Amino acid sequence: QVQLQQSGAELAKPGSSVKISCKASGYTFTSYDISWIKQTTGQGLEYIGYINTGSGGTYYNEKFKGKATLTVDKSSSTAFMQLSSLTPEDTAVYYCARDVPLMDAWGQGASVTVSS
Amino acid sequence: DVVLTQSPATLSVTPGERISLSCRASESVDTYLHWYQQKPNESPRLLIKYASQSISGIPSRFSGSGSGTDFTLSINGVELEDLSIYYCQQGNSLNTFGAGTKLELK
Repeated sequence: QVQLQQSGAELAKPGSSVKISCKASGYTFTSYDISWIKQTTGQGLEYIGYINTGSGGTYYNEKFKGKATLTVDKSSSTAFMQLSSLTPEDTAVYYCARDVPLMDAWGQGASVTVSS
Repeated sequence: DVVLTQSPATLSVTPGERISLSCRASESVDTYLHWYQQKPNESPRLLIKYASQSISGIPSRFSGSGSGTDFTLSINGVELEDLSIYYCQQGNSLNTFGAGTKLELK
């Protein structure tokens, strides 16, 4: 079955960067895009962007340009999202999802806490 | 960006009743409107795709309708396990999500 396994929780200091991974299994990785979504505690879902896993092409929500960088390693069927220049407003759970082009499978979420 | 407005924000329900949740788009999204359920401490799960198409493994009490700007998610006979937050998402123009509707026990 389709599975997306994300990396674990991160505790980071303001101004630093983190890189979250999303390893796919159960399907041909390069057949579908991977999208990334932010969810702050008690808040809704915010779309960050997606990466075409075959070409590496990316789209970013304007709000996250310069904040998020999406990459992919086809050899390991893994997508990555790097968040840079972290501030407390980046504290959230970040999900990856298979985008077919609707989001039909989600990772378990990766918690990022930004605190000094 | 297309803004999705969900109402009500919170709905108090009694098990067994039929309920409807609304999602209104700021401009037409045709039928590129999908519904997700998120239970506490879980990831969102796809419930309905393209406004009204069912998803394998989702109970038949869930159904969707609408096109253009007005959409409805219905639950025919709410069960306790349905107490969750429901989000709509449009994929017609740069993916956006609604703010969600929380189902709680009356």
